[in-house]
Amino acid sequence: QQQVKQSPQSLIVQKGGISIINCAYENTAFDYFPWYQQFPGKGPALLIAIRPDVSEKKEGRFTISFNKSAKQFSLHIMDSQPGDSATYFCAASMDNQGGKLIFGQGTELSVKP
Amino acid sequence: SQTIHQWPATLVQPVGSPLSLECTVEGTSNPNLYWYRQAAGRGLQLLFYSIGIDQISSEVPQNLSASRPQDRQFILSSKKLLLSDSGFYLCAWNRDFSYEQYFGPGTRLTVT
Repeated sequence: QQQVKQSPQSLIVQKGGISIINCAYENTAFDYFPWYQQFPGKGPALLIAIRPDVSEKKEGRFTISFNKSAKQFSLHIMDSQPGDSATYFCAASMDNQGGKLIFGQGTELSVKP
Repeated sequence: SQTIHQWPATLVQPVGSPLSLECTVEGTSNPNLYWYRQAAGRGLQLLFYSIGIDQISSEVPQNLSASRPQDRQFILSSKKLLLSDSGFYLCAWNRDFSYEQYFGPGTRLTVT
């Protein structure tokens, strides 16, 4: 019930295309859902996050869509660029866990020029 | 602004040797601190978290231990390394009552 399931494991997108990564969770007590971007050999960087009281959040080319009833959320990268090639992780947290994050297994995105 | 440091950046250690990885945070006080391990370039596994000095919780039983001797310092240790301890070790922090968690640059540990 503590798991966050992420798909696909890897994704290849052409430059200018839309990259979509999906995550699903079981525990309805989760109330914070961030996405992290990680380049090889670097620590993950917080990209964008959403709370369950909104269905969508957009920051530049990155959008989180959140479906509370389906217990799913997704990251959309519009106009994908080669510089977006990285591993993306979704995560979830709940207030009574002291800020601990439960991570998905990651998606390796490759954007081809 | 806040900065998180980890050292060393890379480490190669023989099986059975001790380990000490250090993490420090600058520009904030009383942060929550976390140690994660990432194997094979994928999923992050939470190892330890700390809400204050000498207040450390372990998430999984393992060959590792953690200590927090100062407010902004978090140390990951082992008395005897195993091959399975190889991986990318990440330290992270967040403010109390805040969800936003920030990661350090990581330490690549190879046990030979």
